[in-house]
Amino acid sequence: DAKTTQPPSMDCAEGRAANLPCNHSTISGNEYVYWYRQIHSQGPQYIIHGLKNNETNEMASLIITEDRKSSTLILPHATLRDTAVYYCIAPNQGGKLIFGQGTELSVKP
Amino acid sequence: GAVVSQHPSWVICKSGTSVKIECRSLDFQATTMFWYRQFPKQSLMLMATSNEGSKATYEQGVEKDKFLINHASLTLSTLTVTSAHPEDSSFYICSAKGSVYNEQFFGPGTRLTVL
Repeated sequence: DAKTTQPPSMDCAEGRAANLPCNHSTISGNEYVYWYRQIHSQGPQYIIHGLKNNETNEMASLIITEDRKSSTLILPHATLRDTAVYYCIAPNQGGKLIFGQGTELSVKP
Repeated sequence: GAVVSQHPSWVICKSGTSVKIECRSLDFQATTMFWYRQFPKQSLMLMATSNEGSKATYEQGVEKDKFLINHASLTLSTLTVTSAHPEDSSFYICSAKGSVYNEQFFGPGTRLTVL
């Protein structure tokens, strides 16, 4: 697995966009970047994944730099329910997800 | 997204007993299932990977004789914690991956407390 680095915590005002960065400078050409989040005492929830192109779904947008060494998850209008730990993961070919410490996002009113 | 369930959602048992946790993929066939555990204020730790019909592959440091994994069908995997001790108390989470989706889907977790 490519190693990923995320800030340990971030705050965001309710209604504003939350931009969560992730560095993955050792990612290989065929490794996807996945984002999951975990709300307290629940199982992780899949958010989005991408390889090279930017991706958008109903939950979030994923912006991947051209050199693929970093990416940003964007929650366009954060709500209090988006408070969670967000994990950026680049699994290997075997599909294993190795979780780091993630970013603890606190959305404040 | 696909749905994965776990049963039970929580269990309390006496030291020395065995506990079985079920993980089911409800609306897709899971060719691979993964088992994780999570201690308080820590991240998820992968314990093992199981492919349907094959023996599970355990991560380094995880005792295969203590954590028995069975993946007998494409919709069910079980984790049995044998001779549980208080240090096995943790949040156990499964995930499932099928051939249709690239992503893994996680169950809601099972909280095990060993007295």
